[in-house]
Order: sequence, then structure tokens, then C-alpha cells
Amino acid sequence: DQQVKQNSPSLSVQEGRISILNCDYTNSMFDYFLWYKKYPAEGPTFLISISSIKDKNEDGRFTVFLNKSAKHLSLHIVPSQPGDSAVYFCAAQRTSYGKLTFGQGTILTVHP
Amino acid sequence: EAQVTQNPRYLITVTGKKLTVTCSQNMNHEYMSWYRQDPGLGLRQIYYSMNVEVTDKGDVPEGYKVSRKEKRNFPLILESPSPNQTSLYFCASRVLGTGNLNYGYTFGSGTRLTVV
Repeated sequence: DQQVKQNSPSLSVQEGRISILNCDYTNSMFDYFLWYKKYPAEGPTFLISISSIKDKNEDGRFTVFLNKSAKHLSLHIVPSQPGDSAVYFCAAQRTSYGKLTFGQGTILTVHP
Repeated sequence: EAQVTQNPRYLITVTGKKLTVTCSQNMNHEYMSWYRQDPGLGLRQIYYSMNVEVTDKGDVPEGYKVSRKEKRNFPLILESPSPNQTSLYFCASRVLGTGNLNYGYTFGSGTRLTVV
């Protein structure tokens, strides 16, 4: 039972354009959501997070949007850069210190 | 440098030969966890530990064992590996109980295990 789903296995965008990565979840008990970025041969690294009391959180070029009624969140990267090419994982928690449940990941490729 | 160190990075073994993947963190974190990453399935939790001598099963614990005798170490043990345990494994740690989401988890660089 995949409680966190990233339905797009891959995404390809041009440098300078917007990248939008999507994530859906089924468990209404999730209250905290995180995005991780993973380069080949490295472990995932924390990128940005949002709690359910907010609908938007911004950090530089990265913005996460949360639509709790639709159980959907998205990560926007503007402008996209070739160095952003990586696998992006969406993750969710029931509490701010609870277990992370991950999505399948989306491979982002940003072309120069 | 604050880090989670896993060893080995790569391992090829045969079915049934016991192996241990080590994990060590230098951040004095209480919480440690093991994940496996498989294509199309993302990262799934195998076992976790809230502190020394406190461990519990995650989502996919079958075929694995762990121990937490010291705070910094959390080895993953495969008593009788099988080909379906071929995967990429990650150890992670974090401070327990903080409400700061931005602490997140610190992950190791991964162990690529192949069981033939």
C-alpha cells in the first residue's frame, strides 16, 4: 500500500524554465511533508519541508505547495539549473519527529 | 564533519552467507534507521532504533536483524541473504523529538548489495 505516490518517474526541462514535481498521499494523518534530493552514489539530502498548517513554503529557488483537501503537494524549482538534475523524493510524517514514508522518486533532468 | 558512515559501499555475496553492513554516526543522534531503495518503490524502512537497546520493525523487516548496543552504531545483519535482498541500503539518523522539521534525517552514502 503506497501511501505516498510520485506518479511521474521522470521529468525533463530546459535550463531556466520551471520544474514542477508532484506528490500525492492517501493517509490523512500525515501532517508534515519533506522533499529530499538524491545524486547518484550519495544518500538523500534534505531540501525543503512544509507542515499542514501552511499551504506554501519558499526557500530560494525552491517552493513547496500543499493542497491538503486534495492530498497533493508539489515542488517548484525556478529557475531550473543543470545542477538540479537528481532524483527527488517526497516524504511524509504523522508527527514532526515520526517515521518518514517516502514516495517512489522522480528523476529530474535539466538540459543546458 | 557531521556524517553517517556506512560500510561497505559495495558488496556482492552468495545466497545464505551471513553478512553485516555497518553504520556509524558522529552527531550523538538518538534515532537511527535503515532503509532500502528499490526501483519503483522508493525508500522503505527496514528497522529503526529510538535509542540504545531500543529497536523496532519498520515496513519491510523480514530477513533482517539489527542491534543498538552503542548510541553511535546501528549495524544491519542479514543472517541468510537471498536474491530478493539485492538492493541499495541507506542508514539514517536524526535527533529524537525535535519539532524542527529542518533537522530532517542525515543519510549515509548507501551500500549497494547484490546477492547471487
